Amino acid sequence: AQSVTQLDSQVPVFEEAPVELRCNYSSSVSVYLFWYVQYPNQGLQLLLKYLSGSTLVESINGFEAEFNKSQTSFHLRKPSVHISDTAEYFCAVSDRSGATNKLIFGTGTLLAVQP
Amino acid sequence: NAGVTQTPKFQVLKTGQSMTLQCAQDMNHNSMYWYRQDPGMGLRLIYYSASEGTTDKGEVPNGYNVSRLNKREFSLRLESAAPSQTSVYFCASSGSILFAGELFFGEGSRLTVL
Repeated sequence: AQSVTQLDSQVPVFEEAPVELRCNYSSSVSVYLFWYVQYPNQGLQLLLKYLSGSTLVESINGFEAEFNKSQTSFHLRKPSVHISDTAEYFCAVSDRSGATNKLIFGTGTLLAVQP
Repeated sequence: NAGVTQTPKFQVLKTGQSMTLQCAQDMNHNSMYWYRQDPGMGLRLIYYSASEGTTDKGEVPNGYNVSRLNKREFSLRLESAAPSQTSVYFCASSGSILFAGELFFGEGSRLTVL
């Protein structure tokens, strides 16, 4: 079965500093990978996704993630964070085994941006 | 622009009581899901419905039942609530179970079982 590991439960960072949120997955087959963001007291929203093609994917608000097949990783990065980026970030992999596909989520990383 | 709507947003139950969480989506999606979110555990799939008329168990189905009432609505029922079911519950939908990547989530229902 698929699994997702987010190594850091919380990442504190100062405003305008770069950040990397780590995500590793376990799979022996091709996968779809996703990052979701959850702002306080809200549901999750899709931030970006890797389906195929270019291994570097970007979001509209400056985040990017790179699919690394050899390291089974899909780390999320942003060169300069804002206070408004404070949220919990979830990495997810699409479980394509069996007849249906389901999303398997990691345990989440709380990004805490400090002024 | 409603998207996925969940009710109620907050609920407190006593052990042994029953309740139903309601979910409706207005995006004409085929697939719907119920997740629970617990601190340090991320989101875990309880049940899902690939299409109207079908439901299947996810990772943590024990203690829950679901009903796909029609294409729009997918309810989650707790027959006899237990403190271990204290959690935040999220309903989600997607266009197709074959490509479940982009889920649209409701705002969540926070349930406390005393």
